Amino acid sequence: ETGVTQSPTHLIKTRGQQVTLRCSSQSGHNTVSWYQQALGQGPQFIFQYYREEENGRGNFPPRFSGLQFPNYSSELNVNALELDDSALYLCASSLDRGTLETQYFGPGTRLLVL
Amino acid sequence: GQNIDQPTEMTATEGAIVQINCTYQTSGFNGLFWYQQHAGEAPTFLSYNVLDGLEEKGRFSSFLSRSKGYSYLLLKELQMKDSASYLCATSPGYSTLTFGKGTMLLVSP
Repeated sequence: ETGVTQSPTHLIKTRGQQVTLRCSSQSGHNTVSWYQQALGQGPQFIFQYYREEENGRGNFPPRFSGLQFPNYSSELNVNALELDDSALYLCASSLDRGTLETQYFGPGTRLLVL
Repeated sequence: GQNIDQPTEMTATEGAIVQINCTYQTSGFNGLFWYQQHAGEAPTFLSYNVLDGLEEKGRFSSFLSRSKGYSYLLLKELQMKDSASYLCATSPGYSTLTFGKGTMLLVSP
């Protein structure tokens, strides 16, 4: 059984650029959620994907978008990067939607926007 | 909306017991979660309460009172490795978790 993996581990971008972050779910999990964690804060929910469809979205602008693939891996895309987008981006997979108690987090991607 | 409050920092000594409190106000409720997060690492699941009462799991216990919007995480026989941030989170819907800002616990010898 493999855990949740994310790539890259660290990334530096400049304002206005675009970034794609990747997540590989734990084996057997069909649901993935993305969170943004600013320094000293708790994670904030961005959105969730279930079987390749968006299944819920937090209070983030449309320049944050996502994809889930048939193998349940996932991407988070952020366009027109802003300085405040600097944060740790976490993905978490769960066995099924509505089973948050089975949710496991990946190690995160630390994004720095200059 | 959602509002979760927990202390910013706590300190305790090795071998002691510490209680981290969490109060919440949510528009919906499908459970209360506690996560542990070491610096620079991902949050790891500690406990989940959906009914009132105490859930015990080894050195860690979690309590929930839905009528009071209150939970606590109890850590016994503290070890140095327990130094971490402890995140309280509610599930207002089936697909989301709303986190508090976390309580940084420092365990000293």
